[in-house]
Amino acid sequence: GENVEQHPSTLSVQEGDSAVIKCTYSDSASNYFPWYKQELGKGPQLIIDIRSNVGEKKDQRIAVTLNKTAKHFSLHITETQPEDSAVYFCAAAAEGDDKIIFGKGTRLHILP
Amino acid sequence: GAVVSQHPSWVICKSGTSVKIECRSLDFQATTMFWYRQFPKQSLMLMATSNEGSKATYEQGVEKDKFLINHASLTLSTLTVTSAHPEDSSFYICSASGQASTDTQYFGPGTRLTVL
Repeated sequence: GENVEQHPSTLSVQEGDSAVIKCTYSDSASNYFPWYKQELGKGPQLIIDIRSNVGEKKDQRIAVTLNKTAKHFSLHITETQPEDSAVYFCAAAAEGDDKIIFGKGTRLHILP
Repeated sequence: GAVVSQHPSWVICKSGTSVKIECRSLDFQATTMFWYRQFPKQSLMLMATSNEGSKATYEQGVEKDKFLINHASLTLSTLTVTSAHPEDSSFYICSASGQASTDTQYFGPGTRLTVL
């Protein structure tokens, strides 16, 4: 089955700098890669997703890149702000499979 | 769009009692709903997948007689924790898909269950 590895587990970034979180997956059939942000005591919120027919997607300060050959995808947050502090989860799913497989999460701290 | 609600947001119960958690898709019809459990500082653990009008599919190791799931309509799924024990204390989160595509899941805010 699919296995998603996520690094780093914790990341501290100075406010205004960029943050990058990386994930790898094992199943070449995976073609959908969502990213979720989870604040303390709340449910995960979908922030961006990418499908395997594109290599990059951007939404304001957030971007995701996908390298299907290497089976890895990354989340990039630019101009970080205090409200970006949260736990971020990457995930992967294969077409036709309603389950998504989550990484273990990255705790992002934005330092003032 | 794609709003999922859960009720209650937190519940405290005595050991041996049953607790029901509701999950609703407020502005779309959810073809599939999912129930997850999350321990502190850990990732989400899928418990079961349910489709409207069908029996839920439970993940390996999840007791279906203990965690009863009902998906009676395209906007409502319920999780009942039967004969709850302190080890069932956890953060339970539901998600729903069917809005944008069959694989995009939208999560509820979660329910914190504490069993005394």
